[in-house]
Amino acid sequence: DAKTTQPPSMDCAEGRAANLPCNHSTISGNEYVYWYRQIHSQGPQYIIHGLKNNETNEMASLIITEDRKSSTLILPHATLRDTAVYYCIVRVAMDSSYKLIFGSGTRLLVRP
Amino acid sequence: NAGVTQTPKFRVLKTGQSMTLLCAQDMNHEYMYWYRQDPGMGLRLIHYSVGEGTTAKGEVPDGYNVSRLKKQNFLLGLESAAPSQTSVYFCASSYTPFGSENTEAFFGQGTRLTVV
Repeated sequence: DAKTTQPPSMDCAEGRAANLPCNHSTISGNEYVYWYRQIHSQGPQYIIHGLKNNETNEMASLIITEDRKSSTLILPHATLRDTAVYYCIVRVAMDSSYKLIFGSGTRLLVRP
Repeated sequence: NAGVTQTPKFRVLKTGQSMTLLCAQDMNHEYMYWYRQDPGMGLRLIHYSVGEGTTAKGEVPDGYNVSRLKKQNFLLGLESAAPSQTSVYFCASSYTPFGSENTEAFFGQGTRLTVV
């Protein structure tokens, strides 16, 4: 079955870059890769998404490998408020419907 | 602009009781979704809607029903609650299909449901 794979936890020092990897080896077609984060069990918050090219916005950068089988979310200067669970999300066709595959998430701890 | 609003935020049900969770969005989005999140796990899609008057099954639809009578509202119903339905429920909406289009989905703050 299609799935995404993320490390369960990571940590980094405040002010340093946080690099969060995700494997999505079965991604296909024109399916996008989305990254969301969840703070204290609140609703997931959008960070960034991409298809083939690398993307950057005010929150983060997204690096997607050429074969699209993996991606890395980069928080360039992590702050304490970036401590959260980060989800890598891809969509997979399922019969006449679809299934949104959430990774197990990476719990990022930003240390002072 | 409220975004996506879920009511109630918390609820405790007894086994066999019924209830309806309400999701309202004010962004004129066509697509709406109901997810559940169990401890230590990612979100799983229960049902979704591609427009007013339409609904479709997601990954884990059993035990739930939904209705989209108005474009801005998406209701999730539990006819006979079971302890296995204890979870946090999230509603989301998007302008185009989440995951295949160049758009993001907006999530509500969640409803924490406990079935005893």
